[in-house]
Amino acid sequence: DIQMTQSPSSLSASVGDRVTITCRASQSISSYLNWYQQKPGKAPKLLIYAASSLQSGVPSRFSGSGSGTDFTLTISSLQPEDFATYYCQQSYSTPPTFGPGTKVDIK
Amino acid sequence: EVQLVESGGGLVQPGGSLRLSCAASGFTFSSYDMHWVRQATGKGLEWVSAIGTAGDTYYPGSVKGRFTISRENAKNSLYLQMNSLRAGDTAVYYCARGVRYFDLWGRGTLVTVSS
Repeated sequence: DIQMTQSPSSLSASVGDRVTITCRASQSISSYLNWYQQKPGKAPKLLIYAASSLQSGVPSRFSGSGSGTDFTLTISSLQPEDFATYYCQQSYSTPPTFGPGTKVDIK
Repeated sequence: EVQLVESGGGLVQPGGSLRLSCAASGFTFSSYDMHWVRQATGKGLEWVSAIGTAGDTYYPGSVKGRFTISRENAKNSLYLQMNSLRAGDTAVYYCARGVRYFDLWGRGTLVTVSS
């Protein structure tokens, strides 16, 4: 199985900050990398698919980049509704696997 | 409205069985691969099973032989039969739609395995 890691595991940031979350795969996954946002008590929500494609309806302040083993999710200007946990997920091979998550909270 | 609604969760004893359901609406259910993903309280996401449009099924080692995913396209419904349940299966179970990514999720149903 492909192992996914994320860093940092948590971060504190202020509204308006630029935030970057990193995801690394244990082997090359090309661009088969997706990002989700999850708020407490809610289901995950797809933000980015195929490493850099923005899901319909997701604000443009979210962006993704990377290929191979290293990927990045960037929030260009953090908004109050962005405080949540973010997960990466590889879809290169079965089983699909998720990173452990990065919790973004208020500084 | 495009949505997925899970049901069937509850409290079950170790070794017991439970059947989860997921009702789909607002889209052509038969055209999509469907999945179950679970999340233990305070933990991350774990993929549990998938079923393709042709009925092909997939499982991780942790549930293979104990869980069975199925679908009934005429009823726009997805199911997860869970047998030989263990304490480690305690989680919120989400159904999700997608091939390479999960673009639609239900709200989840809680399964608690405890004596």
